[in-house]
Amino acid sequence: AQSVTQPDIHITVSEGASLELRCNYSYGATPYLFWYVQSPGQGLQLLLKYFSGDTLVQGIKGFEAEFKRSQSSFNLRKPSVHWSDAAEYFCAVGQRPGGYNKLIFGAGTRLAVHP
Amino acid sequence: IAGITQAPTSQILAAGRRMTLRCTQDMRHNAMYWYRQDLGLGLRLIHYSNTAGTTGKGEVPDGYSVSRANTDDFPLTLASAVPSQTSVYFCASSEDGTSGSHEQFFGPGTRLTVL
Repeated sequence: AQSVTQPDIHITVSEGASLELRCNYSYGATPYLFWYVQSPGQGLQLLLKYFSGDTLVQGIKGFEAEFKRSQSSFNLRKPSVHWSDAAEYFCAVGQRPGGYNKLIFGAGTRLAVHP
Repeated sequence: IAGITQAPTSQILAAGRRMTLRCTQDMRHNAMYWYRQDLGLGLRLIHYSNTAGTTGKGEVPDGYSVSRANTDDFPLTLASAVPSQTSVYFCASSEDGTSGSHEQFFGPGTRLTVL
């Protein structure tokens, strides 16, 4: 069965520090991969996605993620965190064509940013 | 362009009562989805619809029903609410329901409390 694991429930970083949020997935083939961000009291916004090609993908707000097939990982990174990045981050995996568009979400990582 | 609207924003409901959560999108997307978000569990798919007139069950469909009479609206009904249905409910849509490649756009959510 497909699954997504985000090992870190909470992460706290200082403003200006670098950030890496971990995501591991379980899927039989190369999946579609997504990172979403949820600000307090808001819906989810797509940060970036990977379908194929270059394994390093760039997203909005200065975020990037790298797909590593050998590690079944899709970690999210940002070189310098801003206070406005404090939010909850969700990794998700989507099925390839042929199945309905089901997204499996991880449990989320809540990011706190210290000034 | 509003995107996806959900109503109500929040609701407190007595157990055993019937409740319909409303969802409307103005993007002419074919596919729509209902998720529930619970602490530590991320988002879980309740029901989905790949196109108007069709619906399907997600991971946690029990106690919920949906209909898709037209492209824009996708209401979620709790026929007889129970406390375990206390959650935040998100409606989402995507251009295509049969390919995992399309981004899902999320509404702002409905916070439901069942007492």
